[in-house]
Amino acid sequence: DADVTQTPRNRITKTGKRIMLECSQTKGHDRMYWYRQDPGLGLRLIYYSFDVKDINKGEISDGYSVSRQAQAKFSLSLESAIPNQTALYFCATSDGEGTNTEAFFGQGTRLTVV
Amino acid sequence: AQSVTQLDSQVPVFEEAPVELRCNYSSSVSVYLFWYVQYPNQGLQLLLKYLSGSTLVKGINGFEAEFNKSQTSFHLRKPSVHISDTAEYFCAVRRMDSSYKLIFGSGTRLLVRP
Repeated sequence: DADVTQTPRNRITKTGKRIMLECSQTKGHDRMYWYRQDPGLGLRLIYYSFDVKDINKGEISDGYSVSRQAQAKFSLSLESAIPNQTALYFCATSDGEGTNTEAFFGQGTRLTVV
Repeated sequence: AQSVTQLDSQVPVFEEAPVELRCNYSSSVSVYLFWYVQYPNQGLQLLLKYLSGSTLVKGINGFEAEFNKSQTSFHLRKPSVHISDTAEYFCAVRRMDSSYKLIFGSGTRLLVRP
């Protein structure tokens, strides 16, 4: 089983619909992240959470919200999806301690907004 | 602010040939440097990282990278590529005073031909 699991893996939704992307991890890490990947732009940080009570906006948070339901679960919501939110979304985790803080990524959720 | 530039969006190469994927960064503070690989339909996997010490770092699958502080570069190399190395490669930086925020380059697609 993957250490960082994202559901669904693929989703097509209509403009204006609310959609939630879910992420769960078995790494035991405190820190969780949501990134968006667009062709030619690399990955950009949407939101990050250092623990259940700590949620922070990343560089492109407009149009998104998140919920940290537990240490192991971090969900991303699009309240009213729009076509330019079509992208590949990645969840990641890290333990946040010291210098050796490698980020571990899920397999991604491909979202298409039509 | 930090930024990462990957000059080549795509690098085609024949199997068993050497390859270099270029990465330059800009930062007013000291950073750690990373290379991630994304195989088709998968998440990102850490290839290698530079935290301190020797400027030549070795990673998985025969890849290595050299940190050049004066040129602010962290180019990735492999002396002989395999078809299985076909993937997208991302260079990323993280501030030394921040244990969470990765700044990614736009990615380079390595296409290995037989």
